[in-house]
Amino acid sequence: EVQLVQSGAEVKKAGESLEISCEGSGYSFSTFWIGWVRQLPGKGLEWIGIIYPDDSDTRYNPSLQDQVTISADKSISTAYLRWSSLKASDTGMYFCARVRSVIVPRRHFVYHDYWGQGTLVSVSS
Amino acid sequence: EIVLTQSPGTLSLSPGERATLYCRASQSVSSSSLAWFQQKSGQTPRLLIYGASSRATGIPDRFSGSGSGTDFTLTISRLEPEDFAVYYCQQCERSPWTFGQGTKVEI
Repeated sequence: EVQLVQSGAEVKKAGESLEISCEGSGYSFSTFWIGWVRQLPGKGLEWIGIIYPDDSDTRYNPSLQDQVTISADKSISTAYLRWSSLKASDTGMYFCARVRSVIVPRRHFVYHDYWGQGTLVSVSS
Repeated sequence: EIVLTQSPGTLSLSPGERATLYCRASQSVSSSSLAWFQQKSGQTPRLLIYGASSRATGIPDRFSGSGSGTDFTLTISRLEPEDFAVYYCQQCERSPWTFGQGTKVEI
């Protein structure tokens, strides 16, 4: 059974650093892209970026690229999202989500299939 | 960046009624890269439809998706009480991958 288990809720102060994690199991972690999605309070879903754990190839949303770092350690099947200096505006729920890429004749399906349970990040100013 | 605009913002319906949700892209998107998600309050998003029209595993057949190019539709044929939630479309064709702003289906 595919599972993505995220680290627990965090309460931090502005200016502090933070790293949250997402451990995958039940599939070959290295060979599936895995992404991060954020949801600010009362708002919709926003795509942060994705990483391919096997070679750490990473793609970011340009609007968020300077604010976070995505990494992965394939030896322990874990992806990370890191902030070097948190802001109050980073407060929200953060989800990891596996990317499924399926190639069939004349079509290439790409979508997020399995999601982690979410990590709530609260940053006070 | 491909902007996805969902309409309506809120859909007020009753159980048993049909719901039609729309997702319009600012530029053409391959239907293979268009997905729909359901999110209930306080829960993780759940994949409903991928490839614009393929139901994900375990999704009831009252959910269907259609569309191509810039216009996509999610239809719930007969609303069940558990279907009242927020629905998002997403494109995974061009980076940055983007979500629509969501449609809330409420009683």
